[in-house]
Amino acid sequence: NAGVTQTPKFQVLKTGQSMTLQCAQDMNHEYMSWYRQDPGMGLRLIHYSVGAGITDQGEVPNGYNVSRSTTEDFPLRLLSAAPSQTSVYFCASRETDGNGKKLFFGSGTQLSVL
Amino acid sequence: LAKTTQPISMDSYEGQEVNITCSHNNIATNDYITWYQQFPSQGPRFIIQGYKTKVTNEVASLFIPADRKSSTLSLPRVSLSDTAVYYCLVVPWGGSGNTGKLIFGQGTTLQVKP
Repeated sequence: NAGVTQTPKFQVLKTGQSMTLQCAQDMNHEYMSWYRQDPGMGLRLIHYSVGAGITDQGEVPNGYNVSRSTTEDFPLRLLSAAPSQTSVYFCASRETDGNGKKLFFGSGTQLSVL
Repeated sequence: LAKTTQPISMDSYEGQEVNITCSHNNIATNDYITWYQQFPSQGPRFIIQGYKTKVTNEVASLFIPADRKSSTLSLPRVSLSDTAVYYCLVVPWGGSGNTGKLIFGQGTTLQVKP
């Protein structure tokens, strides 16, 4: 198993540009989520999904869109990038039964918005 | 949702035992307690989970008192490679408590010195 895979690893955008951060997991996890982490700060929840077709907002959803058409993929879209969205983005997944108390994280996408 | 509070930072020396305490005063009956380790430029990694009393694995021990309003992560004989940020995360579980809004606190930066 590859676990949780995030692409790209690094991205530079200009203000106003749009892009999609990709997240895929091969563990058949129903739950997936996106966090952002600013320098020296903790993780803040952006959006999450408890299954295909179901998404909900986290702590800091403004400026981000998500959709969940398959169990494997949970892309995060920035419609019009702003410098305040410069951050490291982490995707995470977990089971929703059994041992589902454990989150599995990707290696992150470092995004800079100029 | 149970809010967590941890010390911002801790220092230790190689070979010492380190105890990091997390406060979660409004923990619910169905909530589990999990801990994560994060190195710079990496996603957090699951360390240990528990519900009550004591849990031990090959990496750490987790102590949870009877009232469950706090938990203590214990790292035996730390080395320089244990320098990282440590997060506790309360995970709602079972029944109507199996929600997806998993909110991290600010974490504890542990610096291990030679």
